[in-house]
Amino acid sequence: TQLLEQSPQFLSIQEGENLTVYCNSSSVFSSLQWYRQEPGEGPVLLVTVVTGGEVKKLKRLTFQFGDARKDSSLHITAAQPGDTGLYLCAGGTGFQKLVFGTGTRLLVSP
Amino acid sequence: NAGVTQTPKFQVLKTGQSMTLQCAQDMNHEYMSWYRQDPGMGLRLIHYSVGAGITDQGEVPNGYNVSRSTTEDFPLRLLSAAPSQTSVYFCASSYLVSTGELFFGEGSRLTVL
Repeated sequence: TQLLEQSPQFLSIQEGENLTVYCNSSSVFSSLQWYRQEPGEGPVLLVTVVTGGEVKKLKRLTFQFGDARKDSSLHITAAQPGDTGLYLCAGGTGFQKLVFGTGTRLLVSP
Repeated sequence: NAGVTQTPKFQVLKTGQSMTLQCAQDMNHEYMSWYRQDPGMGLRLIHYSVGAGITDQGEVPNGYNVSRSTTEDFPLRLLSAAPSQTSVYFCASSYLVSTGELFFGEGSRLTVL
């Protein structure tokens, strides 16, 4: 069974702070996606990375796929209350299945 | 745009009862799937389908059945509900899974007493 462990599980910060969320596995994935989920809703895709070492930026969010395609990170610069939510990484196995990480719950206070 | 529609949003069952969670998508996606979400465990795949008439098991299929008679619909059946099936269930669809975006419904919260 392929597992994706995310850390930290919970993160409570003040507006304007920077943070990094990690997604780690011992397995190699063909792609890595990051989703954000708000209460009472389904997850929504933020980004997909497919190449080892790839870095993608989405405004204040920076996503990186590890060189060996086993891990990924999400860095948020100058966090805002609107960034509050559950962040999920998901690894593509190439067999029509996505393996989801355990999730990181982020709370950004004004 | 409707996207992925799940019904019901909330359901309470007694142990041993059966029920069906409905999922419909209007994006002509070939791939559809069911996940359950439990605290601290992320999303776990129950069953998935890569097209009408084709279904396969995911990580946690026991106690659940699915069928795919049309491209649009992918119902999830609980045959004999157990308290361990108390969870939030999400249906999701996509064109391609390994690199494609999964579109999720709003979820169905099920409580089994």
